[in-house]
Amino acid sequence: SAVISQKPSRDICQRGTSLTIQCQVDSQVTMMFWYRQQPGQSLTLIATANQGSEATYESGFVIDKFPISRPNLTFSTLTVSNMSPEDSSIYLCSVLGGPGEQFFGPGTRLTVL
Amino acid sequence: GQQVMQIPQYQHVQEGEDFTTYCNSSTTLSNIQWYKQRPGGHPVFLIQLVKSGEVKKQKRLTFQFGEAKKNSSLHITATQTTDVGTYFCAGKGSNYKLTFGKGTLLTVNP
Repeated sequence: SAVISQKPSRDICQRGTSLTIQCQVDSQVTMMFWYRQQPGQSLTLIATANQGSEATYESGFVIDKFPISRPNLTFSTLTVSNMSPEDSSIYLCSVLGGPGEQFFGPGTRLTVL
Repeated sequence: GQQVMQIPQYQHVQEGEDFTTYCNSSTTLSNIQWYKQRPGGHPVFLIQLVKSGEVKKQKRLTFQFGEAKKNSSLHITATQTTDVGTYFCAGKGSNYKLTFGKGTLLTVNP
């Protein structure tokens, strides 16, 4: 299993600002995933981040709004840009374990005022 | 695109009663996974089902994968207060991506 940490664990931000969320994994992984979970809702995949290449975004999510970095095999960041109250969510990073299950980080609880 | 429907959305039971949540995919799945999310926590992997008609048990939890690999269920026998949380199914199609159901929030009255 993988141990995943995220920073910050929670934040309250003003609209129009940006927040960068960090995800650190205790082992090298090829793929890292970023999910959004709005209050009381299911998990929606934002993008898949591979080291050394551009992130692949899901329908409805764009790089200008959610830029992602993946500088090495154990670390990734997700930035939520120009935030609005609709961006208030839990943001989760995850990695694939074997044989195919996903391990999730503890999440970043974002509130935008 | 692939859609995964899950019912019921909420279930409240008395401790000791059984609980079942159902999952149905719009497309045939390569596998289906189940996750549990405790209140305030993050999703934790429970199990993966791969084969048509597969049934797996984990203590009081029984997981089934339908013959057509489009539906699945999770049954908990004799619920306990520690079973409280949201149970998500997640289907994997032809690629590596998981599509999550909306989840079933289980509350247990002691």
